[in-house]
Amino acid sequence: DAGVIQSPRHEVTEMGQEVTLRCKPISGHNSLFWYRQTMMRGLELLIYFNNNVPIDDSGMPEDRFSAKMPNASFSTLKIQPSEPRDSAVYFCASSLWGYEQYFGPGTRLTVT
Amino acid sequence: DQQVKQNSPSLSVQEGRISILNCDYTNSMFDYFLWYKKYPAEGPTFLISISSIKDKNEDGRFTVFLNKSAKHLSLHIVPSQPGDSAVYFCAASGTYGGSQGNLIFGKGTKLSVKP
Repeated sequence: DAGVIQSPRHEVTEMGQEVTLRCKPISGHNSLFWYRQTMMRGLELLIYFNNNVPIDDSGMPEDRFSAKMPNASFSTLKIQPSEPRDSAVYFCASSLWGYEQYFGPGTRLTVT
Repeated sequence: DQQVKQNSPSLSVQEGRISILNCDYTNSMFDYFLWYKKYPAEGPTFLISISSIKDKNEDGRFTVFLNKSAKHLSLHIVPSQPGDSAVYFCAASGTYGGSQGNLIFGKGTKLSVKP
């Protein structure tokens, strides 16, 4: 089992640019979660999907953030335009019915 | 306001001794609790969980205790090993048996186990 796959592992971009983070969940899992980790706020849930349908996006900080899950094996988190305060580690996690969530290695985003 | 609190940002113990990590929560609707371990540059890894119908769950060297009246849970690691050195996150959910799985995480406790 390859586990949750995230790409890229590191992203450095300039303010104002569009950033797309990608996630491939574990095969057979039906829930997918996007988290952001910062020193100040810890691990925060941004959005989660059940069976490819967004269930709760109340954690998405602003309209600049959007997430999609076009099929059971792929999801994206997009930030447009990016700002320096978006710098953080972004994790994707998947689970079967939402309990023991399995995390990917994360994408470290730096916006200059 | 934080619903899940880990008040000790760090803990240092000697190899072979017991490590006790603590977690408090405020929301009485939480009914499922989990502990995750995180190494640098990796994602959190699920360690152990407990539902509110139990007060103890054990898995090898790891035991989680739940005190619902005090809204407190703890993770015991016995004996502690240097490889246990990591950041430990407590998490809680209020949808046991459901399909939402919205986990609320504490800010973590960094455990250092010294040889």
